[in-house]
Amino acid sequence: GAGVSQSPSNKVTEKGKDVELRCDPISGHTALYWYRQSLGQGLEFLIYFQGNSAPDKSGLPSDRFSAERTGGSVSTLTIQRTQQEDSAVYLCASSFEGGNSPLHFGNGTRLTVT
Amino acid sequence: GENVEQHPSTLSVQEGDSAVIKCTYSDSASNYFPWYKQELGKRPQLIIDIRSNVGEKKDQRIAVTLNKTAKHFSLHITETQPEDSAVYFCAASPSNDYKLSFGAGTTVTVRA
Repeated sequence: GAGVSQSPSNKVTEKGKDVELRCDPISGHTALYWYRQSLGQGLEFLIYFQGNSAPDKSGLPSDRFSAERTGGSVSTLTIQRTQQEDSAVYLCASSFEGGNSPLHFGNGTRLTVT
Repeated sequence: GENVEQHPSTLSVQEGDSAVIKCTYSDSASNYFPWYKQELGKRPQLIIDIRSNVGEKKDQRIAVTLNKTAKHFSLHITETQPEDSAVYFCAASPSNDYKLSFGAGTTVTVRA
């Protein structure tokens, strides 16, 4: 049983470029989360997908950030026109049923914007 | 939505002593309360969770207590060891339809 897989593990990009981060959740998990974690900081919620419900996008910091989840499985987080303050580790997590189920985190994508 | 507050933000304890982290939540409908441990450079991992139908749960040196009336829950680590040094996050959720909401985290340092 594979865990939550994220790619790439590291991404260095120039300011102003777009980036796409990928998350493969555990098979059968209906819920998927994206978090952002800056060095030494907590878990900043970005977006939550649960089954066929409309995603909770309340944590997206600006309209440069968007995410989709195709076929209820793989998710991509897109950051357009990256800024230096976007530099952080982006963590994906999935759970079997939603908020009342344990989260399984991926190893994250470390994004550096130069 | 649910709002979870966590205290203290940092905690330093002598090896062998106990550590206690407290969290409060705002939504009285919340019924699931997990705790995650994040070691330096690693992903958060679930260490223990409790549901609202019980008041306490133990797993070896860690325990969690829940007070639904006061809307707070706590993590207790006994006989602390250097490997307990990490950031600990509490969380709460009212149902599967809603996301799990996290506290801001507590950095625990166990002094040898």
